[in-house]
Amino acid sequence: AQSVTQLGSHVSVSEGALVLLRCNYSSSVPPYLFWYVQYPNQGLQLLLKYTTGATLVKGINGFEAEFKKSETSFHLTKPSAHMSDAAEYFCAVSPGQKVTFGTGTKLQVIP
Amino acid sequence: DAGVIQSPRHEVTEMGQEVTLRCKPISGHDYLFWYRQTMMRGLELLIYFNNNVPIDDSGMPEDRFSAKMPNASFSTLKIQPSEPRDSAVYFCASRAQDGGGYTFGSGTRLTVV
Repeated sequence: AQSVTQLGSHVSVSEGALVLLRCNYSSSVPPYLFWYVQYPNQGLQLLLKYTTGATLVKGINGFEAEFKKSETSFHLTKPSAHMSDAAEYFCAVSPGQKVTFGTGTKLQVIP
Repeated sequence: DAGVIQSPRHEVTEMGQEVTLRCKPISGHDYLFWYRQTMMRGLELLIYFNNNVPIDDSGMPEDRFSAKMPNASFSTLKIQPSEPRDSAVYFCASRAQDGGGYTFGSGTRLTVV
C-alpha cells in the first residue's frame, strides 16, 4: 500500500521568498510521484511528475522537486514566491494505476 | 483538446432526489477516475475505469452510488437517493496508458439540502 504525508497544512511565505512544501511517501514498489496545484473553485493541475531517471524534476511556473529515495521524500520548491502561487498543493504517489493524494498544503503569499 | 469536461458545474438538490454527474474524458485516455473532495476527508477515489471497464469501486461509499462508462467518451456518476452528507465537489480525471499524471475536470459542486 502507498501513502503520502504532507507536512504542514498551511504555509506562509513572503513574496520573493523561497517556497518549500514538504512531502514524504511510502510505497512498496518504486513509485511515480506527482505534485498538483489547485486554485479556488478549480480542478487539480499537474505541476510536475517523477517517473524514472533524473531525480530533480522541473515543472511549470518555476517549481521543481527532488526525489530522494533514501529519505522517501519529494519536496516541492520554488526560489522566489509570487502572489499568483497562492493555492493549495497536493503531493501524490502512484505505484500502479491508482493515485493516492496527500491532504494538501495551502500556500499563502504575503506581499 | 478541451480537456476533461464535467457537467453540471453546480448542482443543488433536495435530499432524496436522484443526482447524475457527467464526465467527458480526454480523447485517447484509457483511464477515467471519479474523486470526491471534502474538507473533512480530502480527495477520495471513488471508482476508476480502464477501457470503459470498472476496475476498482472499493471507494464507492454505499449502494446509493453507481457509476457507468458506456463508451470511451462518456461517464456518469449517479447518487440515488441523495443525502446532505453527499455534499462535496466531485472530480473526474482521465489519464493515458503511459502512467503519466491525471488531467482533472473543473469539478461539480454538489449541495444536497
